Amino acid sequence: DAGITQSPRHKVTETGTPVTLRCHQTENHRYMYWYRQDPGHGLRLIHYSYGVKDTDKGEVSDGYSVSRSKTEDFLLTLESATSSQTSVYFCAIRGVSGTDSGANVLTFGAGSRLTVL
Amino acid sequence: SQQGEEDPQALSIQEGENATMNCSYKTSINNLQWYRQNSGRGLVHLILIRSNEREKHSGRLRVTLDTSKKSSSLLITASRAADTASYFCATDARTSGTYKYIFGTGTRLKVLA
Repeated sequence: DAGITQSPRHKVTETGTPVTLRCHQTENHRYMYWYRQDPGHGLRLIHYSYGVKDTDKGEVSDGYSVSRSKTEDFLLTLESATSSQTSVYFCAIRGVSGTDSGANVLTFGAGSRLTVL
Repeated sequence: SQQGEEDPQALSIQEGENATMNCSYKTSINNLQWYRQNSGRGLVHLILIRSNEREKHSGRLRVTLDTSKKSSSLLITASRAADTASYFCATDARTSGTYKYIFGTGTRLKVLA
């Protein structure tokens, strides 16, 4: 996916261990978002950022923290992973659409699949 | 929860038929967007409709918006096997000066060749 990469793409970890997922963009966009995707729930917003050091909570922020120390990187941390955090995590950036008259739309990364045993 | 809902949850049709999926949302919006997700991939933006628009077309896609009912529909005409994917609506609402995007639960579309 152009301009946005997530790492790691796959991770298996044990309950109680810390995990950090990284989202990196090359397009200097102000807004970045972390979502989780689970069957039956679609995408749910965890946290988002509207600038360096500016972040806010989404719908399902409990158990997650984020940091944005520079424009290009948005980190999602699970301080102590639980089995309920097994999910696919998507990062997205807000940028101008090339097809919708300049409206802002989201571009997604390829996702990070996390399994907590 | 602010999350919107989509129906049907799953839809199976024959190639050449039209597919209609519906989205309901809960908050005031600036615009509503539809995204597509192929299996195992990230979401890709399809089409956007602004809150002051009622209908919009793009190729084989037609989107309608009824802000009084807080609902939208996506119509894919003359469907193809390649349209098989999950489709999500997302609302773009500005709150406290920042932009949040809330997604619906999605519709899984299967187009049979």
